[in-house]
Amino acid sequence: QLQLLESGPGLVKPSETLSLTCTVSGASINSNHYWGWIRQPPGKGLEWIGSIYYIGTTYYRPSLRGRVTISIDTSRDHFSLHLTSVTAADTAVYYCAREETTYGDYGSWGQGTLVTVSS
Amino acid sequence: QSALTQSRSVSGSPGQSVTISCTGTSNDVGGYNYVSWYQKYPGKAPKLMLYEVNKRPSGVPDRFSGSKSGNTASLTISGLQAEDEADYFCCSFAGGSFAGGGYLLFGGGTKLTVL
Repeated sequence: QLQLLESGPGLVKPSETLSLTCTVSGASINSNHYWGWIRQPPGKGLEWIGSIYYIGTTYYRPSLRGRVTISIDTSRDHFSLHLTSVTAADTAVYYCAREETTYGDYGSWGQGTLVTVSS
Repeated sequence: QSALTQSRSVSGSPGQSVTISCTGTSNDVGGYNYVSWYQKYPGKAPKLMLYEVNKRPSGVPDRFSGSKSGNTASLTISGLQAEDEADYFCCSFAGGSFAGGGYLLFGGGTKLTVL
C-alpha cells in the first residue's frame, strides 16, 4: 500500500529556506505519476504549490515561481520541496501527494507537517 | 491567480441532499473538465471524492456526484449522513497545459454541517 511521509524542520526563520522531504514507500516513485506539494495555512483553504513528474519535469504555482523548487530522487524514493525567502505567510501544514491519472486527482496523501515561520 | 469561489458553509439534515458550488472562470473551471473535489476533516489529510468533474475513485459512495455548467462546478451529496460533516474543497486545472505554464487552483473550502 502506497504511503507518503513528510519530514523536515517544524520551525523556520523569516528570510530563510523551508525544506521538506516526502518519502514514498509501498510503490516506486519512478512511475508514471506527478508528485505534488499542497499546503494549508491556519484557518485557510488548500493551496497548490507545485508538482514534479517522475522524470523530473516541474510545474509551479505562478505566484511562487522564483522561490520554489521541487526535486525528485528516484534512487531513494523521495521528492523534496525548497521554498526560499519565507515569511509568516508561508506558515502552513504542508502535504505531499500523488496524482493518480490526471490533473488534480491526488488520491494518495501524506499526513501533513506543520511548518511555522517565526524568529 | 485567485482561488476558486465556494460558499463558506452549507447545512442539511440527515437523509437530505446538499449541493456545494465552485465558481471560477473560463481559464479554469469553464475551460477544462479537470475539476476534482476533496473532503477534509480537521487535522487529517484531504480525501479525493471526485475527479474529472464526475468520476468517483474506488470506494467513494455513489451518494457523491459532480457536475459542471459553464464556469461553475457542483458537488452534490445525497442521503446526507453524519460522517459527511467536513470541509469540502474543489480543485481545477487552469492556464493551458502543464508544459505551457498550467497550474492547479483550489477553492476556499465549504464547511458542511449535518444538522
